[in-house]
Amino acid sequence: DSGVTQTPKHLITATGQRVTLRCSPRSGDLSVYWYQQSLDQGLQFLIQYYNGEERAKGNILERFSAQQFPDLHSELNLSSLELGDSALYFCASSGAGPYQETQYFGPGTRLLVL
Amino acid sequence: GQNIDQPTEMTATEGAIVQINCTYQTSGFNGLFWYQQHAGEAPTFLSYNVLDGLEEKGRFSSFLSRSKGYSYLLLKELQMKDSASYLCAVSPNDYKLSFGAGTTVTVRA
Repeated sequence: DSGVTQTPKHLITATGQRVTLRCSPRSGDLSVYWYQQSLDQGLQFLIQYYNGEERAKGNILERFSAQQFPDLHSELNLSSLELGDSALYFCASSGAGPYQETQYFGPGTRLLVL
Repeated sequence: GQNIDQPTEMTATEGAIVQINCTYQTSGFNGLFWYQQHAGEAPTFLSYNVLDGLEEKGRFSSFLSRSKGYSYLLLKELQMKDSASYLCAVSPNDYKLSFGAGTTVTVRA
């Protein structure tokens, strides 16, 4: 157990819909990262927040947005969903471990868009 | 951009040793990580190298050569539970990790 929690574990929805994925980082971690992992692709970095502020952006679509709240939990919002958005979405956090940069991953949310 | 290469698949026998190589070309370097990922599960942290040399952690060791842009993960005394994908990831700066596509290791009895 990494200490990072994500909800929900599974999500099934239809094209065109909007969903929100939630992540709580490990105690003491200030950074939260979001990744997408599809069957035919590796881990793709989406976005990072540090203490409530956006710090780095990766290959995140305009239909996707995220935020980090004062209690440091984060939400990833996916809208106008397409079939190709079906993937595992991981949240990771870092900052409080022996190596500041080490990211610890949550169990992921499996999204299926029908 | 970042370029991280590792073999797609490797197969080894239980009790044997396997070495997974990773080469990288990145715009900066702030450390190299190895993660293990079982199918459908979260990646779990294995090792971190920021200086040249070998880091040993039980059955797993990781080596780094910054001048060659090269790392390897060595798995000794392989067990069936070691069958998984192994991800090489480089931190080009303090904020992001760039992951390789992963190496699927299959351990056979």
